[in-house]
Amino acid sequence: GAGVSQTPSNKVTEKGKYVELRCDPISGHTALYWYRQSLGQGPEFLIYFQGTGAADDSGLPNDRFFAVRPEGSVSTLKIQRTERGDSAVYLCASSLHNQLDTQYFGPGTRLTVL
Amino acid sequence: SQQGEEDPQALSIQEGENATMNCSYKTSINNLQWYRQNSGRGLVHLILIRSNEREKHSGRLRVTLDTSKKSSSLLITASRAADTASYFCATDGAGGTSYGKLTFGQGTILTVHP
Repeated sequence: GAGVSQTPSNKVTEKGKYVELRCDPISGHTALYWYRQSLGQGPEFLIYFQGTGAADDSGLPNDRFFAVRPEGSVSTLKIQRTERGDSAVYLCASSLHNQLDTQYFGPGTRLTVL
Repeated sequence: SQQGEEDPQALSIQEGENATMNCSYKTSINNLQWYRQNSGRGLVHLILIRSNEREKHSGRLRVTLDTSKKSSSLLITASRAADTASYFCATDGAGGTSYGKLTFGQGTILTVHP
C-alpha cells in the first residue's frame, strides 16, 4: 500500500512568513509523529499524536510551532514568523496503533527560510 | 538532545566486505531501532530489537544489543554499492518510559565502493 506522504517536498520562504507542512500517514495508522532534521544530524522529535490529540508535544521548540490532526488522519505542522534557524528537513512518521509499533517515515519536506 | 552516539561517523569499504556500525546510548530503553537514510530524505526502517533480546537477523543484517553496556551494533554482511547511505540508531523509551519519542544518534555515513 501507499506509504507516508508529505507535501510540499520543498518549501522556500522568507523570514517572518507563515508556513504549513502537510503529512498523510499510512491508511489506518492511528499514531503520527513529526521530527526535524538539521544538516548532518539525526532527526529530533517534535510531537506525537494518538488519534486527534497530541499525546506528547514536548519537542516543539517554541510557541511559533503548532501541529494539528483534526480528523485523526492528515496532520499539518504550522510554523509562524519563520526564522532562518527553522531551516531543516521536517519528517513525518506513522505507526499502526501506538508508540510501541514500528514508525514508518515519509520523504520529508525541506524547508528553507531565507 | 540526542541520546544515541554512532561510531564511526564515517565508514568507507569495498563491495563484498562487511560493515559494522556501533551505537551507544545513555538511559534505559524499551527497544532500539536501526534506520537507513539516502540523500538526507526519508528514513527506511531496518530492524527493531527489544530490550529483552540480544541478537536479531534480517537478511544480510545482524543487530546485537547489550543492555549492560548500553550499546548496539549493526553488521551488514557482503556489502553492496546500494548499501551506501547514512545509518541511524534510535531508542524508544528513554528514562524507562515509552512515549514513541524516538531519540536518534547522529548517524554513520557508509560508503561502499564498487
